[in-house]
Formats: sequence, C-alpha cells, structure tokens
Amino acid sequence: SQKIEQNSEALNIQEGKTATLTCNYTNYSPAYLQWYRQDPGRGPVFLLLIRENEKEKRKERLKVTFDTTLKQSLFHITASQPADSATYLCALDISTGTASKLTFGTGTRLQVTL
Amino acid sequence: DVKVTQSSRYLVKRTGEKVFLECVQDMDHENMFWYRQDPGLGLRLIYFSYDVKMKEKGDIPEGYSVSREKKERFSLILESASTNQTSMYLCASTTDRGKSTGELFFGEGSRLTVL
Repeated sequence: SQKIEQNSEALNIQEGKTATLTCNYTNYSPAYLQWYRQDPGRGPVFLLLIRENEKEKRKERLKVTFDTTLKQSLFHITASQPADSATYLCALDISTGTASKLTFGTGTRLQVTL
Repeated sequence: DVKVTQSSRYLVKRTGEKVFLECVQDMDHENMFWYRQDPGLGLRLIYFSYDVKMKEKGDIPEGYSVSREKKERFSLILESASTNQTSMYLCASTTDRGKSTGELFFGEGSRLTVL
C-alpha cells in the first residue's frame, strides 16, 4: 500500500543548530513534493515545492532535497530559532488520472530551545 | 492577501444532526479541497472539486457530501453527525484546474465536536 512516513517523535534542537526533518514514501512516483508548516490550532502554510527533476531547493534558511531513488525528501532549517517551532508536513502529488491531489504525511513536531 | 475563510472555528453538535461547514476563497481558484486532521493520522482528504458542480471522492468520503454551486464556495455536509466525525476540518484551494501543482492555501480550520 502507499505510504508517507515522517518521524512521529518530536525533534528537539538548540537554537542556532540545523534541524533536519525526513519524509520517506513507498509505492509512489510523485511528480513533486511540498513542505508545509503548521502552528497549533491553525491551518498549514506552504513553504517549498520541489519537482522530481530537482535535487535541491532553497529559500532563505530553508533547504529541501528530493531523492527519487531513495524515495526520500530532507527538509533543513539552518540557524534555527525558537520561532521555527511548529509541526512540519510533507505532501506528495498523487495523480488520479483526471485530477491530482496532495497526500500528506502525519508531520514532525520541531521544538527549538534557547 | 489571499484568503480562504471557513465559516466557523468551533462547533458543537449532537449525534444525528445535519452539519454544514462552509468555505469561501477569494483567489478565483478552480480547485478546492476538504481535509480532516486527527492526531496520529495527519490530514486525510475527504472530497475535492476542480470546477463548479464537479466533485471527486477523496480517501475517506463515507459519511460526508459536498456542494460546489459557485466557484468561490465549497461546502462540506455531514448528513447525520456521529461521534467519530469529531475532528479538525480544513478547507484548501489552489489554481490549475484538475491539478494541484501549486501550493495549497488553507483556511484556519473548523474544530467540530459531536456529542
């Protein structure tokens, strides 16, 4: 069956360090992958999109990699800050033929401490 | 600023009641989606629509229906609410008819409790 896995345990890191979050998938061949941030009680907010033919994408302190051979995406936040504390979701495009839809992982909660 | 507005942030309903969750977007997007989010299960797609009066089932459509009479509005209907439908409901929209190649814009969510 199709599956998207994110580390369900919270990731705790110290301010200033690089946080690395993992998204693994099986039985998919997505054309692209997206990352979202979600704060408690709020809707997810889009961060980055990376296509299957792109190895890496950057936006300010964020970096995403996409390895279609390993079926894995890594999401990095450099020089992390307490304000980066949130849940981060990865999402994959799944084509249904007539339309495509995003399927989400369960998310990883990041806690950045002083 | 682009905006997806969900009509109610918090609702409490009784088992068997009919529940309407409304979602309006002001971005002229073709595609609209309803997800529910539960601890440990993540976001799961209930229904989506890529045009007015069009709808497609997502991964968990049982117990739900939808209505898209106007492009900007997508309603989720629980015909007879049950306790296992207690959840956070999230509406989202994106452009590119029939595809979700762009970012999803989410509403703030509607937390429904069914007693």
